[in-house]
Amino acid sequence: EVQLVESGGGFIQPGGSLRLSCAASGFTFRNYWMSWVRQAPGGGLEWVAKINQDGSEKVYVDSVRGRFTVSRDNAESSLYLQTNSLRAEDTAVYYCARYASGSYYIDYWGRGTLVTVSS
Amino acid sequence: QSALTQPRSVSGSPGQSVAISCTGTSSDVGNYNYVSWYQQYPGKAPKLMIYDVNKRPSGVPDRFSGSKSGNTASLIISGLQAEDEGDYYCCSYEGRYTHYVFGTGTKVTVL
Repeated sequence: EVQLVESGGGFIQPGGSLRLSCAASGFTFRNYWMSWVRQAPGGGLEWVAKINQDGSEKVYVDSVRGRFTVSRDNAESSLYLQTNSLRAEDTAVYYCARYASGSYYIDYWGRGTLVTVSS
Repeated sequence: QSALTQPRSVSGSPGQSVAISCTGTSSDVGNYNYVSWYQQYPGKAPKLMIYDVNKRPSGVPDRFSGSKSGNTASLIISGLQAEDEGDYYCCSYEGRYTHYVFGTGTKVTVL
């Protein structure tokens, strides 16, 4: 069974940093593109970033480029999102997600981890 | 990198059909058959309902279908059931920046 379990969220002041983690199991992690998607409280889904199988290709949405860094450790079957210079508008549930093999859609999602940026 | 446009809400009685539109541009919906749809219940993770415009994953009821015309994709729910009530989001691959864009979301209410 595919499982994606996020951790690392919490309460942080503006300008601070958090490292989000996603532990993957139930599939061969190194074979898949992975992504982070976020959802502000009461808001819609926003695609944040993606990373290819070996970590050599990373793409970000404009609003986080230069502040967030996606990475992965295939040996540990883990995905990460380093979030720096956090702003109030970064407050959201952050979901770890897997792209279907060779495809352009997300087939599995984690349950999410909440990041709250506030003074 | 603007969100795709969806109606804020749609509603229907049990057994009726509803359609949710998802309007993008020639850089995303209009140029790629990579539109997917997700169902989300409050406090839960999204669930894939349709991919590649009109394909259904195994386990998704066949009352869910998808289509596309020009820059607008649509999700049709036929024979609406109480458990279909929730939020629905479209998503498209965007080729100019090689990223993805979600729709604004639609709340489906079963009357």
